[in-house]
Amino acid sequence: DAKTTQPTSMDCAEGRAANLPCNHSTISGNEYVYWYRQIHSQGPQYIIHGLKNNETNEMASLIITEDRKSSTLILPHATLRDTAVYYCIALSSNTGKLIFGQGTTLQVKP
Amino acid sequence: KAGVTQTPRYLIKTRGQQVTLSCSPISGHRSVSWYQQTPGQGLQFLFEYFSETQRNKGNFPGRFSGRQFSNSRSEMNVSTLELGDSALYLCASSRQYSSSADTQYFGPGTRLTVL
Repeated sequence: DAKTTQPTSMDCAEGRAANLPCNHSTISGNEYVYWYRQIHSQGPQYIIHGLKNNETNEMASLIITEDRKSSTLILPHATLRDTAVYYCIALSSNTGKLIFGQGTTLQVKP
Repeated sequence: KAGVTQTPRYLIKTRGQQVTLSCSPISGHRSVSWYQQTPGQGLQFLFEYFSETQRNKGNFPGRFSGRQFSNSRSEMNVSTLELGDSALYLCASSRQYSSSADTQYFGPGTRLTVL
């Protein structure tokens, strides 16, 4: 399973776009990029996932580079409720185990 | 559609005791995975059950066990509790066996405190 690297923390102004980067330079062809977030002591919440193409849903957009070595999660209009720890995970379609790193603590400020 | 439910939400036990945690997956989901979250180790995979069979196991001692019932509900058991077992235990469900990279949805967790 590929390892992912994320910044420890980031700040974002309320109403602005939050761009959270993730490096997964050792990702293999059958590994999806998944994003979850966890608001203090709650269960992780699924946000979005992708394999090769960019993806968008009601919560966020996921931009994956052409070489798949990195990706960016975009929250288009961050609110205070988006303050959370965001996890980027490279999920193997063989094992299916979610291997969580330390994630990025996003602080949305008024 | 109801989400993943876990019971109890909070539990306090003493060292040496055993504990059973319960997880009810989203309706129609057949796979249940368990994770342990501690401040020091973060979120770690315990095991996964699909069709009442353990399909995947993390690196935890044999004191940690689980099972799945025919209705896909799952229980996790920890015997001979140690102080280090204090953690948030999370359950996640998905439609199929996780090797299909099916999205896993998490429950709210059970907060276990061992005194």
